Amino acid sequence: DQQVKQNSPSLSVQEGRISILNCDYTNSMFDYFLWYKKYPAEGPTFLISISSIKDKNEDGRFTVFLNKSAKHLSLHIVPSQPGDSAVYFCAASEGGSNFGNEKLTFGTGTRLTIIP
Amino acid sequence: DAGVIQSPRHEVTEMGQEVTLRCKPISGHDYLFWYRQTMMRGLELLIYFNNNVPIDDSGMPEDRFSAKMPNASFSTLKIQPSEPRDSAVYFCASSWGGSVRSGANVLTFGAGSRLTVL
Repeated sequence: DQQVKQNSPSLSVQEGRISILNCDYTNSMFDYFLWYKKYPAEGPTFLISISSIKDKNEDGRFTVFLNKSAKHLSLHIVPSQPGDSAVYFCAASEGGSNFGNEKLTFGTGTRLTIIP
Repeated sequence: DAGVIQSPRHEVTEMGQEVTLRCKPISGHDYLFWYRQTMMRGLELLIYFNNNVPIDDSGMPEDRFSAKMPNASFSTLKIQPSEPRDSAVYFCASSWGGSVRSGANVLTFGAGSRLTVL
């Protein structure tokens, strides 16, 4: 049973526009969420995270929104750039925000393509 | 630091053969994870270690899979015998424990080992 779901396997966005990647989860015990970015032939790299005590976290062009009641989070990239073309994985943990979120549950990923 | 180092990067083997994947975590990291990536299931956690001790191996699919961490700088994932359905990319990742507010527990992944079992 997939506890973290990314229902869009792929997304194409024009350069300069906003990219919105979505993620849903089913486990109400998840309290820490992360986004990882993966280029071909490389391992995933950490992008941004959010604790369940917040509903928004921003880092430059990247913003993650969390809607706990809907068990939904999204990643916004504004403006989108060609270098953002990659696979984006949503991940969640129920380890607690003060210590040790060791066990991450990942989604299946969304392939984002930025069209120049 | 060179990051998490995995070998081999590519492995092609025949069904029934033993496969050993290797991982060197980042020095100072006390957690090590083995993940498997497939199209259908995304990134699945197979097993993780804390201070070289296996903590959770509930993701290991079958008894054909085993993992060891004999010391803080080395881990292996072994599949014996291998089957075509084991074909996937296997990632090793490491992290350090502590408060997530301090940036801990962010996994650093290796480049992966692509396994093809014919």
